[in-house]
Amino acid sequence: DSGVTQTPKHLITATGQRVTLRCSPRSGDLSVYWYQQSLDQGLQFLIQYYNGEERAKGNILERFSAQQFPDLHSELNLSSLELGDSALYFCASSVGGQANYGYTFGSGTRLTVV
Amino acid sequence: QQPVQSPQAVILREGEDAVINCSSSKALYSVHWYRQKHGEAPVFLMILLKGGEQMRHEKISASFNEKKQQSSLYLTASQLSYSGTYFCGTYLTSGTYKYIFGTGTRLKVLA
Repeated sequence: DSGVTQTPKHLITATGQRVTLRCSPRSGDLSVYWYQQSLDQGLQFLIQYYNGEERAKGNILERFSAQQFPDLHSELNLSSLELGDSALYFCASSVGGQANYGYTFGSGTRLTVV
Repeated sequence: QQPVQSPQAVILREGEDAVINCSSSKALYSVHWYRQKHGEAPVFLMILLKGGEQMRHEKISASFNEKKQQSSLYLTASQLSYSGTYFCGTYLTSGTYKYIFGTGTRLKVLA
């Protein structure tokens, strides 16, 4: 157990729907990062939050949004889902804002859009 | 913009050495290395900072050449457990917070 908790582990949903993925960081970590991993695109950084504030943005679509709550857990919202959104979504956490001491990854949420 | 890793894939016998390179067309501020086994989450291995020392994780070490905008991961006396896909990751330049992963290198160690 890495200490980073992601729920749910698997999600199957239809095109056009909206889903929410949840991540609880390791105790003491202030940053949460979201990544998407699909077969054809490799590992992509989506967005980072640090202590409740958005810190960095990667290749995140406008249909996707995220937030980090006061208790530091984070949610990634994916809307108007398309088949191409099927992927593994990982979150990771770190103590600081630039992860100079490393990241800890959760086990991921596998999203299947049908 | 994505750092390019080489080789794309490598097969080794247990005990052999390998080098994985991560090259960027943009200046690198820091480089992170990860290993991901099939069906599992990535595992952070180490970070190399600009001007920092070469780092080690067990029998895996890495270097960072700022001038060449390149980092190399050295796997010495490889073990079966080293099999997986290795990614480098980096913030493109100092002061920015856009993070990007390399193209990945698949490594398989055979008994």
